[in-house]
Amino acid sequence: GQNIDQPTEMTATEGAIVQINCTYQTSGFNGLFWYQQHAGEAPTFLSYNVLDGLEEKGRFSSFLSRSKGYSYLLLKELQMKDSASYLCAVRDNAGNMLTFGGGTRLMVKP
Amino acid sequence: KAGVTQTPRYLIKTRGQQVTLSCSPISGHRSVSWYQQTPGQGLQFLFEYFSETQRNKGNFPGRFSGRQFSNSRSEMNVSTLELGDSALYLCASSQGTDTNTDTQYFGPGTRLTVL
Repeated sequence: GQNIDQPTEMTATEGAIVQINCTYQTSGFNGLFWYQQHAGEAPTFLSYNVLDGLEEKGRFSSFLSRSKGYSYLLLKELQMKDSASYLCAVRDNAGNMLTFGGGTRLMVKP
Repeated sequence: KAGVTQTPRYLIKTRGQQVTLSCSPISGHRSVSWYQQTPGQGLQFLFEYFSETQRNKGNFPGRFSGRQFSNSRSEMNVSTLELGDSALYLCASSQGTDTNTDTQYFGPGTRLTVL
């Protein structure tokens, strides 16, 4: 099975940088995903890591260390619209099933 | 390209009834996965369909079932509804042919309320 942990809530200031951590213990691993979900809306895909290292996409970066069972999502130049829940999800070896963490609710303040 | 669509968007049922939800994937995608999202349990995997066959299944009771049609559209059915089935049901589509690189894209969800 899978166990995925991420902080429940975080607060940051507009224009700042925030790092959202995710740790996982899994029986198999075939990639880690980050999704953004605004209240009342569907999750939208942000990033995918399957190898160790950093993936950068504009203001968003995601890092993975498979040996440590650890990932983080880095958001730079925070904007008010970044206030949302951020979901970490792991795909196991068995196929296309994603196991999600509980999500981190990020509040960006002026 | 149009995104994933789900119908209906909102549904109110009473205990004991049954419900069918529909999902149309992104054009060209052959895999459809269903998830249940609740405040207490978060996002939980229900099942995945690929080429009209159930490929993966989560830990939900048999009251939850699904199917996929030849055009990749999928339906899920919940029978004998319970209050605890109130949730947002999300459908996600992906190409499905290479699970090493596959990325799932979510639809807007169906909000089911059981009274």
